[in-house]
Amino acid sequence: GAVVSQHPSRVICKSGTSVKIECRSLDFQATTMFWYRQFPKQSLMLMATSNEGSKATYEQGVEKDKFLINHASLTLSTLTVTSAHPEDSSFYICSARGGLAGIADTQYFGPGTRLTVL
Amino acid sequence: DAKTTQPNSMESNEEEPVHLPCNHSTISGTDYIHWYRQLPSQGPEYVIHGLTSNVNNRMASLAIAEDRKSSTLILHRATLRDAAVYYCMHTGRRALTFGSGTRLQVQP
Repeated sequence: GAVVSQHPSRVICKSGTSVKIECRSLDFQATTMFWYRQFPKQSLMLMATSNEGSKATYEQGVEKDKFLINHASLTLSTLTVTSAHPEDSSFYICSARGGLAGIADTQYFGPGTRLTVL
Repeated sequence: DAKTTQPNSMESNEEEPVHLPCNHSTISGTDYIHWYRQLPSQGPEYVIHGLTSNVNNRMASLAIAEDRKSSTLILHRATLRDAAVYYCMHTGRRALTFGSGTRLQVQP
């Protein structure tokens, strides 16, 4: 099956610093990538959708200047959490979808990145 | 939002079949039904998807009601590794929207 990787798997940073998370589709071209966030004991919440070469579309309540998303190639998307604060501590999960299989394209998820802001 | 309704939790015994129900009464005619599962501290794993007909793969079977307003994920022989949160969703080209899912516990 299709594989999506994320790096790093976990990161601890100080408040006020920026953190970049990479998401790669390893064996397929991902025309669309998605970023989700999951707080403890909660479900996944969609943050943004990005299409290769276009600006990301953010969900209501997600600050685009704080969560910078770049989808510069068909296999790589990055999420940068700028000026991170403790409330940004969460499990960030990316997902990728190819564009050639029709309307039922499956989303494949990465293993997630655990961000802890001190 | 594409809303689905699932039981909060279910229990099963190892080696027995498990039927996980899902109601999706607001599904549109072109939406596919997707099932994923998530283990703690991992990303969701694709299980199965379908449109109208029942589907089988190596992981599970998906039974879809004739009116498409509900579906059932069938694990034919539960193992301890099947213990996870199972999410049922429906969408066309939109991003998957996760509800609270069903937490499946498997007893040895």
